[in-house]
Amino acid sequence: GQNIDQPTEMTATEGAIVQINCTYQTSGFNGLFWYQQHAGEAPTFLSYNVLDGLEEKGRFSSFLSRSKGYSYLLLKELQMKDSASYLCAVLDSNYQLIWGAGTKLIIKP
Amino acid sequence: NAGVTQTPKFRVLKTGQSMTLLCAQDMNHEYMYWYRQDPGMGLRLIHYSVGEGTTAKGEVPDGYNVSRLKKQNFLLGLESAAPSQTSVYFCASSTGDSGANVLTFGAGSRLTVL
Repeated sequence: GQNIDQPTEMTATEGAIVQINCTYQTSGFNGLFWYQQHAGEAPTFLSYNVLDGLEEKGRFSSFLSRSKGYSYLLLKELQMKDSASYLCAVLDSNYQLIWGAGTKLIIKP
Repeated sequence: NAGVTQTPKFRVLKTGQSMTLLCAQDMNHEYMYWYRQDPGMGLRLIHYSVGEGTTAKGEVPDGYNVSRLKKQNFLLGLESAAPSQTSVYFCASSTGDSGANVLTFGAGSRLTVL
């Protein structure tokens, strides 16, 4: 079967750095997405990786290793507004998105 | 630009009742999707459409029907609601380009079936 694993919940301090991991086992791979979802709101797109390596976008970076079936989202200089759930999703060989259950990130002052 | 608009935002149904969720997008996107989101689970695809007049089943289609009569609208119907259909429903749309197919989501519709 297809599976996406992410930690259920993480806690970090304002101003710090946090890394949210995602491991996947899917039938094929056509890209990996990270979305942010604030409580009670819609998911919004953060990043897309299809090649190995690091993609940087301001305070957020996303890394992919296809050989290890592994990605992480790195958030720097954490702000209170970064408190949200972070969803990892993989596009499989049929171009269907397989979603992880999400990681709830709690930021403490 | 409104993006993706879902109505209603909240609804309470009794078991056996029927209802329709409406999704409208103003981005001229070809692809539209209906997902449900339940605690502790990833988003699960119910049905999707790759263009006006087309629909296809996703991962959890049972108990739901859809229609895409106009490109900008995608309707999700529950003919006979069951408590297991209590969930938050998200509509999304995309250009459908393979690969970096970024989804734009609506704000969600919270449905409770008693």
